Amino acid sequence: DGGITQSPKYLFRKEGQNVTLSCEQNLNHDAMYWYRQDPGQGLRLIYYSQIVNDFQKGDIAEGYSVSREKKESFPLTVTSAQKNPTAFYLCASSIRLAETQYFGPGTRLLVL
Amino acid sequence: KNEVEQSPQNLTAQEGEFITINCSYSVGISALHWLQQHPGGGIVSLFMLSSGKKKHGRLIATINIQEKHSSLHITASHPRDSAVYICAVRWETSGSRLTFGEGTQLTVNP
Repeated sequence: DGGITQSPKYLFRKEGQNVTLSCEQNLNHDAMYWYRQDPGQGLRLIYYSQIVNDFQKGDIAEGYSVSREKKESFPLTVTSAQKNPTAFYLCASSIRLAETQYFGPGTRLLVL
Repeated sequence: KNEVEQSPQNLTAQEGEFITINCSYSVGISALHWLQQHPGGGIVSLFMLSSGKKKHGRLIATINIQEKHSSLHITASHPRDSAVYICAVRWETSGSRLTFGEGTQLTVNP
């Protein structure tokens, strides 16, 4: 089955800790995206990648970092610089930029 | 500021009713998407349209470019349609980025 997987489903972070959220796709898509969803707000773009070894900041990149070493994988690290990390994080991919995006199941990050 | 507004925020219907969810946006777009988010959080893309109308099963999406408005209709609604419906637009000037509305929570009661 082709699709996008995100792990873990729930993640807990302690103060001052970096955590990494996994996103993997086997759809052979070039473009991948990370979004953050907060209650009462629309999804906001954190980072996106058009192709392997390339990525661009989105609207709320501060406190986050990404890598795109493989086409299938686009991990997101939430650093200690992100002061309000509690949110639902969604990864998506598309065959190329501006095409229909396919979303993963999401990771809910909670700060202890 | 480029904005996307959805209405209503919350909608409760009885099974079988015809549902309409609205989306308005502020400036020119190159495409508009309708997405469905289920209670578990997963999101499914329903439609991408830049003009006219699209239909898939009981779902119909329309867009009026001149009025900067789109509607998502659900005919013969069913409790399994209960979800958050999200409108997202790609502005003419923003390349590939999407701007998302806050979503409409739909509850269909049996």
